[in-house]
Amino acid sequence: GAGVSQSPSNKVTEKGKDVELRCDPISGHTALYWYRQRLGQGLEFLIYFQGNSAPDKSGLPSDRFSAERTGESVSTLTIQRTQQEDSAVYLCASSPPLGLAGGEQYFGPGTRLTVT
Amino acid sequence: AQKVTQAQTEISVVEKEDVTLDCVYETRDTTYYLFWYKQPPSGELVFLIRRNSFDEQNEISGRYSWNFQKSTSSFNFTITASQVVDSAVYFCALRSNTGKLIFGQGTTLQVKP
Repeated sequence: GAGVSQSPSNKVTEKGKDVELRCDPISGHTALYWYRQRLGQGLEFLIYFQGNSAPDKSGLPSDRFSAERTGESVSTLTIQRTQQEDSAVYLCASSPPLGLAGGEQYFGPGTRLTVT
Repeated sequence: AQKVTQAQTEISVVEKEDVTLDCVYETRDTTYYLFWYKQPPSGELVFLIRRNSFDEQNEISGRYSWNFQKSTSSFNFTITASQVVDSAVYFCALRSNTGKLIFGQGTTLQVKP
């Protein structure tokens, strides 16, 4: 079946502009996660959606970052007034409900964001 | 606080050597899961293994094996008879009951022919 897809694969934007990144999770996966990976670094958790529960936004680095999810499908991560330090690969992952099959997360290919 | 430490930043071996990647974690949760992911040069993260906190049995999958020891809070990963295609960044991760994964900084493995 289809895996997690993300678009665009690459995005170059000017400092100060807003960007919107999209994630399509695996069908049937109720949980969706966003992570950020700076060059040569590990992954930083940003936000987590689980079904109809309130999202866990504890990893969002500033109020310039926000994310939405439509039901149990598509999610968009929005970064307003981009800064150069926002340059990174943004990874989306989805997983079955917690407690089922251990909830391992399946990752998309990422969106490489470059802020000039 | 929850934390994952991969002390080895980079490892370089010659093909056919065995190599062990270390992972040490910290958590106060009694129930948790540990994961290993591989990130090849293409960039996409590939799930390798999941282990829950109640199962300390070692696991072997082909050339890969994992040693989970709660007493030392470690979940080490060994590749036997390494191959060039094993060259990648390997991440260890901890998942708590809240669901999010906490990743280590990764170990870059280079296998030379």
